[in-house]
Amino acid sequence: NAGVTQTPKFRILKIGQSMTLQCTQDMNHNYMYWYRQDPGMGLKLIYYSVGAGITDKGEVPNGYNVSRSTTEDFPLRLELAAPSQTSVYFCASSILAGGRQETQYFGPGTRLLVL
Amino acid sequence: QKEVEQNSGPLSVPEGAIASLNCTYSDRGSQSFFWYRQYSGKSPELIMFIYSNGDKEDGRFTAQLNKASQYVSLLIRDSQPSDSATYLCAVRNNAGNMLTFGGGTRLMVKP
Repeated sequence: NAGVTQTPKFRILKIGQSMTLQCTQDMNHNYMYWYRQDPGMGLKLIYYSVGAGITDKGEVPNGYNVSRSTTEDFPLRLELAAPSQTSVYFCASSILAGGRQETQYFGPGTRLLVL
Repeated sequence: QKEVEQNSGPLSVPEGAIASLNCTYSDRGSQSFFWYRQYSGKSPELIMFIYSNGDKEDGRFTAQLNKASQYVSLLIRDSQPSDSATYLCAVRNNAGNMLTFGGGTRLMVKP
């Protein structure tokens, strides 16, 4: 299993541009998450999904959109990029088993610089 | 008030010593607690997790929960330079669908 994969690894955007960060997991996990991590800080939840067709906002959703059409994929869309969205973005997935959600597995991250 | 708080550090310990990392949380109903390690430029990786029913030991790592004072600690025995990283504490919400992360503590183990 490849686990959680993310593309691209690094991207530079100009202010006002848009882009989609890709995330794919091959572990058949029902839960998927998008986090951002600013330098020297912890992780902040942007959006999450508990299954295909179901998404919900996290702590910092403004300026982002998500969709979950399949179990495997959970893309994050940035519209009208702003310098404040410069960050490292991590995708994660987990599974609900025995009534408990198990640990989250993280992808390698996407570094985004908005200039 | 932040829901999960950690001292940002850096916490510096000599090689072979015990490193003690702490995390406080605000939701008294929390029942699941996680410790992740993150090397610089890498993604977080799980070290261990505990539920509210007890402490846990795994090799050189021990996670302890103090429910009355609402803090979780991670002890690293016989610290090695390779343990130098940022340690993130995370607490699962009552609905069980989200983790809230602390800001992380940077640990430096000096040879």
